[in-house]
Amino acid sequence: GENVEQHPSTLSVQEGDSAVIKCTYSDSASNYFPWYKQELGKRPQLIIDIRSNVGEKKDQRIAVTLNKTAKHFSLHITETQPEDSAVYFCAARWEYGNKLVFGAGTILRVKS
Amino acid sequence: DAGITQSPRHKVTETGTPVTLRCHQTENHRYMYWYRQDPGHGLRLIHYSYGVKDTDKGEVSDGYSVSRSKTEDFLLTLESATSSQTSVYFCAISESKVSLAGYNEQFFGPGTRLTVL
Repeated sequence: GENVEQHPSTLSVQEGDSAVIKCTYSDSASNYFPWYKQELGKRPQLIIDIRSNVGEKKDQRIAVTLNKTAKHFSLHITETQPEDSAVYFCAARWEYGNKLVFGAGTILRVKS
Repeated sequence: DAGITQSPRHKVTETGTPVTLRCHQTENHRYMYWYRQDPGHGLRLIHYSYGVKDTDKGEVSDGYSVSRSKTEDFLLTLESATSSQTSVYFCAISESKVSLAGYNEQFFGPGTRLTVL
């Protein structure tokens, strides 16, 4: 089955700096990679996603890059703000079915 | 938020007792999922359903069973709860029709915090 590793487990940045979270996956057949943000006590919510036929996708201050050869993908947040503080999860779709395998999560703290 | 509710939202129970968690959706989505969330493990899939009476196991299905008799309801049952099943449980749903993106977002419910003493 699929396995997703996520690093770092915690990340502290100064407000205005950039943050990068990295994930690797094991199943070369995976073709969809979403990122979820979970604020304290809330449900996970999708913030951006990328398909395997695309190398990069941007949405305002967030971007995701995908390297299929190396089987890794990354989340980039620029000009971080205190409201970006949350837990971020990467995920990869299994080859079969509408199933996702999640990374262990990254706690992002933005210090003002 | 998508029309997903979970009940109960909090439950404390004792080891060995049966527990049933309910997920209810008003979106008429085909797929429904149960995850558990534990520190250091992210979200792990327990079981999922791809239609009424159609279910399959996920990564961590041991000790759990599910049922889906109606499109809108997906039940997760712990036949005999153990302390290792103390966790936050999330239900999620997704549509079956392929979107323009080629994949359909999973929407999560508010979660149920279960404590097994």
